[in-house]
Amino acid sequence: AQSVTQPDIHITVSEGASLELRCNYSYGATPYLFWYVQSPGQGLQLLLKYFSGDTLVQGIKGFEAEFKRSQSSFNLRKPSVHWSDAAEYFCAVGARGGGNKLTFGTGTQLKVEL
Amino acid sequence: DAGVIQSPRHEVTEMGQEVTLRCKPISGHDYLFWYRQTMMRGLELLIYFNNNVPIDDSGMPEDRFSAKMPNASFSTLKIQPSEPRDSAVYFCASSKNVGSPINGYTFGSGTRLTVV
Repeated sequence: AQSVTQPDIHITVSEGASLELRCNYSYGATPYLFWYVQSPGQGLQLLLKYFSGDTLVQGIKGFEAEFKRSQSSFNLRKPSVHWSDAAEYFCAVGARGGGNKLTFGTGTQLKVEL
Repeated sequence: DAGVIQSPRHEVTEMGQEVTLRCKPISGHDYLFWYRQTMMRGLELLIYFNNNVPIDDSGMPEDRFSAKMPNASFSTLKIQPSEPRDSAVYFCASSKNVGSPINGYTFGSGTRLTVV
Protein backbone atom coordinates (compact mmCIF):
# COMPACT_ATOMS: atom_id res chain seq x y z
CA ALA A 1 0.00 0.00 0.00
CA GLN A 2 1.16 3.51 -0.69
CA SER A 3 1.97 6.01 2.04
CA VAL A 4 3.07 9.63 2.27
CA THR A 5 5.04 11.53 4.88
CA GLN A 6 5.18 15.25 5.46
CA PRO A 7 8.04 15.70 7.94
CA ASP A 8 7.28 19.30 8.85
CA ILE A 9 4.19 19.96 10.94
CA HIS A 10 4.70 23.73 11.06
CA ILE A 11 6.81 26.08 8.93
CA THR A 12 7.18 29.83 9.31
CA VAL A 13 8.60 32.00 6.56
CA SER A 14 8.81 35.73 6.00
CA GLU A 15 6.77 37.30 3.25
CA GLY A 16 8.85 37.44 0.08
CA ALA A 17 11.07 34.56 1.11
CA SER A 18 11.23 31.30 -0.77
CA LEU A 19 9.35 28.24 0.40
CA GLU A 20 9.88 24.51 0.18
CA LEU A 21 7.50 22.00 1.76
CA ARG A 22 8.67 18.43 1.91
CA CYS A 23 6.77 15.32 0.89
CA ASN A 24 8.09 11.77 0.78
CA TYR A 25 6.10 8.87 -0.53
CA SER A 26 6.32 5.12 -0.44
CA TYR A 27 5.13 3.22 -3.48
CA GLY A 28 6.65 0.55 -5.69
CA ALA A 29 6.00 2.18 -9.05
CA THR A 30 5.53 5.69 -10.36
CA PRO A 31 2.72 7.13 -8.30
CA TYR A 32 0.18 9.82 -8.89
CA LEU A 33 1.18 12.74 -6.65
CA PHE A 34 -0.81 15.75 -5.58
CA TRP A 35 -0.52 18.87 -3.48
CA TYR A 36 -3.62 20.40 -1.93
CA VAL A 37 -4.02 23.63 0.01
CA GLN A 38 -6.56 24.28 2.75
CA SER A 39 -7.24 27.86 3.75
CA PRO A 40 -8.82 28.45 7.16
CA GLY A 41 -12.46 27.35 7.22
CA GLN A 42 -12.28 26.00 3.69
CA GLY A 43 -12.08 22.66 1.96
CA LEU A 44 -8.98 21.35 0.22
CA GLN A 45 -8.12 22.82 -3.17
CA LEU A 46 -5.90 21.12 -5.72
CA LEU A 47 -2.65 23.04 -6.32
CA LEU A 48 -0.91 20.71 -8.76
CA LYS A 49 -0.40 17.08 -9.69
CA TYR A 50 2.13 14.76 -11.27
CA PHE A 51 1.58 11.46 -13.02
CA SER A 52 4.19 11.23 -15.78
CA GLY A 53 6.45 13.22 -18.06
CA ASP A 54 8.28 16.38 -17.02
CA THR A 55 9.26 15.98 -13.38
CA LEU A 56 8.82 19.70 -12.66
CA VAL A 57 5.15 20.59 -12.61
CA GLN A 58 3.58 24.00 -12.36
CA GLY A 59 0.44 24.68 -10.40
CA ILE A 60 -1.86 27.48 -9.47
CA LYS A 61 -0.92 30.47 -7.34
CA GLY A 62 2.71 30.37 -8.48
CA PHE A 63 3.52 27.01 -6.90
CA GLU A 64 5.63 24.27 -8.46
CA ALA A 65 6.73 20.82 -7.38
CA GLU A 66 9.46 18.48 -8.49
CA PHE A 67 9.19 14.71 -8.61
CA LYS A 68 12.45 13.00 -7.69
CA ARG A 69 12.21 9.25 -8.06
CA SER A 70 15.63 8.61 -6.52
CA GLN A 71 14.58 10.40 -3.34
CA SER A 72 10.91 9.32 -3.37
CA SER A 73 10.05 12.97 -2.95
CA PHE A 74 7.61 15.50 -4.34
CA ASN A 75 8.50 18.79 -2.68
CA LEU A 76 6.42 21.89 -3.14
CA ARG A 77 8.15 25.20 -3.83
CA LYS A 78 7.37 28.85 -4.31
CA PRO A 79 10.04 31.47 -5.02
CA SER A 80 8.36 34.31 -3.13
CA VAL A 81 5.70 33.73 -0.52
CA HIS A 82 2.75 36.08 -0.06
CA TRP A 83 0.88 36.57 3.21
CA SER A 84 -2.19 35.00 1.58
CA ASP A 85 -0.28 31.72 1.20
CA ALA A 86 -0.69 31.06 4.93
CA ALA A 87 -2.65 27.82 5.02
CA GLU A 88 -2.28 24.10 5.54
CA TYR A 89 -0.74 22.07 2.74
CA PHE A 90 -1.38 18.40 2.10
CA CYS A 91 0.57 16.01 -0.08
CA ALA A 92 -1.31 12.97 -1.43
CA VAL A 93 -0.40 9.84 -3.36
CA GLY A 94 -2.48 7.57 -5.54
CA ALA A 95 -1.60 4.16 -6.93
CA ARG A 96 -1.78 3.00 -10.51
CA GLY A 97 -4.47 0.37 -10.65
CA GLY A 98 -5.63 1.37 -7.19
CA GLY A 99 -8.90 2.91 -8.24
CA ASN A 100 -9.45 6.50 -7.27
CA LYS A 101 -8.27 6.21 -3.68
CA LEU A 102 -5.72 8.78 -2.50
CA THR A 103 -3.63 8.62 0.65
CA PHE A 104 -3.05 11.99 2.30
CA GLY A 105 -0.17 13.15 4.44
CA THR A 106 -0.70 14.74 7.83
CA GLY A 107 -0.28 18.25 6.47
CA THR A 108 2.13 21.15 6.96
CA GLN A 109 0.84 24.35 8.51
CA LEU A 110 2.45 27.39 6.86
CA LYS A 111 2.67 30.68 8.72
CA VAL A 112 3.80 33.80 6.89
CA GLU A 113 5.39 36.62 8.86
CA LEU A 114 4.93 40.12 7.53
CA ASP B 1 -20.37 23.64 -11.98
CA ALA B 2 -21.37 24.27 -8.37
CA GLY B 3 -18.73 21.95 -6.97
CA VAL B 4 -19.27 19.53 -4.13
CA ILE B 5 -22.00 20.85 -1.86
CA GLN B 6 -22.16 20.00 1.81
CA SER B 7 -24.80 20.90 4.32
CA PRO B 8 -25.03 22.18 6.91
CA ARG B 9 -21.82 24.25 7.16
CA HIS B 10 -22.03 24.24 10.93
CA GLU B 11 -23.88 21.95 13.29
CA VAL B 12 -24.06 22.18 17.05
CA THR B 13 -25.85 19.37 18.81
CA GLU B 14 -26.17 17.87 22.24
CA MET B 15 -24.59 14.60 23.18
CA GLY B 16 -26.87 11.69 22.40
CA GLN B 17 -28.66 13.36 19.52
CA GLU B 18 -28.67 12.07 15.97
CA VAL B 19 -26.70 14.08 13.45
CA THR B 20 -27.01 13.84 9.67
CA LEU B 21 -24.49 15.39 7.32
CA ARG B 22 -25.30 15.74 3.64
CA CYS B 23 -23.28 15.83 0.46
CA LYS B 24 -24.06 16.43 -3.19
CA PRO B 25 -21.16 15.38 -5.43
CA ILE B 26 -20.27 16.92 -8.75
CA SER B 27 -22.55 15.65 -11.50
CA GLY B 28 -20.87 12.83 -13.40
CA HIS B 29 -18.49 11.94 -10.58
CA ASP B 30 -18.86 8.32 -9.60
CA TYR B 31 -16.58 8.21 -6.56
CA LEU B 32 -17.59 9.82 -3.27
CA PHE B 33 -15.43 10.03 -0.16
CA TRP B 34 -16.18 11.04 3.43
CA TYR B 35 -13.30 12.38 5.53
CA ARG B 36 -13.03 13.59 9.09
CA GLN B 37 -10.48 16.19 10.12
CA THR B 38 -9.33 16.84 13.69
CA MET B 39 -6.28 18.49 15.17
CA MET B 40 -5.21 15.26 16.82
CA ARG B 41 -5.72 12.80 13.97
CA GLY B 42 -5.51 14.97 10.87
CA LEU B 43 -7.47 13.94 7.78
CA GLU B 44 -9.03 10.48 8.09
CA LEU B 45 -10.86 8.61 5.36
CA LEU B 46 -14.08 7.24 6.82
CA ILE B 47 -15.74 5.57 3.85
CA TYR B 48 -15.92 5.79 0.10
CA PHE B 49 -18.43 4.82 -2.56
CA ASN B 50 -18.13 3.90 -6.20
CA ASN B 51 -21.30 4.05 -8.28
CA ASN B 52 -23.31 4.44 -5.06
CA VAL B 53 -21.89 1.23 -3.57
CA PRO B 54 -19.76 1.39 -0.40
CA ILE B 55 -16.30 0.08 -1.27
CA ASP B 56 -14.32 0.56 1.91
CA ASP B 57 -15.80 1.50 5.27
CA SER B 58 -12.85 0.41 7.36
CA GLY B 59 -12.30 3.97 8.53
CA MET B 60 -15.72 4.32 10.13
CA PRO B 61 -14.86 4.62 13.80
CA GLU B 62 -17.71 2.57 15.26
CA ASP B 63 -21.27 1.43 14.77
CA ARG B 64 -22.60 4.84 15.71
CA PHE B 65 -21.48 6.01 12.28
CA SER B 66 -23.31 5.05 9.11
CA ALA B 67 -23.22 6.35 5.54
CA LYS B 68 -25.54 5.92 2.60
CA MET B 69 -25.62 6.91 -1.02
CA PRO B 70 -29.15 6.28 -2.29
CA ASN B 71 -28.40 7.81 -5.70
CA ALA B 72 -25.58 9.37 -7.69
CA SER B 73 -26.32 12.88 -6.51
CA PHE B 74 -26.71 12.49 -2.76
CA SER B 75 -24.97 10.95 0.23
CA THR B 76 -25.45 11.15 3.97
CA LEU B 77 -23.23 10.50 6.95
CA LYS B 78 -25.17 9.82 10.13
CA ILE B 79 -23.97 9.70 13.71
CA GLN B 80 -26.34 8.19 16.24
CA PRO B 81 -25.94 8.79 19.11
CA SER B 82 -23.43 11.61 18.87
CA GLU B 83 -20.63 12.09 21.42
CA PRO B 84 -18.36 15.06 22.18
CA ARG B 85 -15.38 13.20 20.68
CA ASP B 86 -17.17 13.26 17.32
CA SER B 87 -16.59 17.01 17.14
CA ALA B 88 -14.61 17.61 13.97
CA VAL B 89 -14.84 18.95 10.45
CA TYR B 90 -16.35 16.43 8.08
CA PHE B 91 -15.47 16.69 4.39
CA CYS B 92 -17.05 15.12 1.39
CA ALA B 93 -15.07 14.76 -1.83
CA SER B 94 -15.89 13.37 -5.25
CA SER B 95 -13.99 12.27 -8.33
CA LYS B 96 -14.65 10.78 -11.74
CA ASN B 97 -13.44 7.31 -12.61
CA VAL B 98 -11.13 7.57 -15.62
CA GLY B 99 -9.23 4.38 -14.82
CA SER B 100 -6.80 6.12 -12.47
CA PRO B 101 -6.75 8.78 -9.75
CA ILE B 102 -5.25 11.25 -12.21
CA ASN B 103 -7.79 13.98 -11.59
CA GLY B 104 -7.56 13.91 -7.82
CA TYR B 105 -10.55 14.86 -5.74
CA THR B 106 -12.82 17.87 -5.51
CA PHE B 107 -13.61 18.66 -1.90
CA GLY B 108 -16.63 20.32 -0.40
CA SER B 109 -16.30 23.15 2.11
CA GLY B 110 -16.94 20.82 5.01
CA THR B 111 -19.36 20.60 7.93
CA ARG B 112 -18.03 21.73 11.29
CA LEU B 113 -19.71 19.53 13.90
CA THR B 114 -19.68 20.44 17.56
CA VAL B 115 -21.20 18.01 20.05
CA VAL B 116 -21.71 19.51 23.51
